[in-house]
Amino acid sequence: DAGVTQSPTHLIKTRGQHVTLRCSPISGHKSVSWYQQVLGQGPQFIFQYYEKEERGRGNFPDRFSARQFPNYSSELNVNALLLGDSALYLCASSMVVALNNEQFFGPGTRLTVL
Amino acid sequence: KQEVTQIPAALSVPEGENLVLNCSFTDSAIYNLQWFRQDPGKGLTSLLLIQSSQREQTSGRLNASLDKSSGRSTLYIAASQPGDSATYLCCGSARQLTFGSGTQLTVLP
Repeated sequence: DAGVTQSPTHLIKTRGQHVTLRCSPISGHKSVSWYQQVLGQGPQFIFQYYEKEERGRGNFPDRFSARQFPNYSSELNVNALLLGDSALYLCASSMVVALNNEQFFGPGTRLTVL
Repeated sequence: KQEVTQIPAALSVPEGENLVLNCSFTDSAIYNLQWFRQDPGKGLTSLLLIQSSQREQTSGRLNASLDKSSGRSTLYIAASQPGDSATYLCCGSARQLTFGSGTQLTVLP
């Protein structure tokens, strides 16, 4: 079975632009979460979606938004990019919304903002 | 607010050594604690998941323990190999998943 997939693998943008990152969960998983990992730090929680509804939000500005589609795939959108948004963006899926369920991570999207 | 701390930040050992990575968390009301491995520039690979009702989990040369009362978890790696070189992250789930900053492990041949 395919694991969590993310696209694109790498992305270079300039300040002020917007970006859309995509994630496909493991087949049968209904929960998708997004994380930002800045170099040298652990991942920081951005959003969790389950059954197309937002179930959790981390401490990120409103420039960050996400949505989940009927097939449980998800998009993360970031507007008005800042240099500090440069990071590895990770997507994780799990079968249910409960946080005691094992999380499976994708390979990430490396975003560079110039 | 949950805080997760990992010590040491970096560790270098010769091949064959047994080693212990430490993780501490401030909120004992966690649902579970998960250990991950991350290779440079890559995503996270789940190693072990310990539910809050469990004390330890084992997989091959890896053993993870959880002590909720003291807010600590350890990852024990037996007979380390150069292929174990990576960053190891622990993550506690309470109201949301909170990661430590990781321990960067280098196993020297």
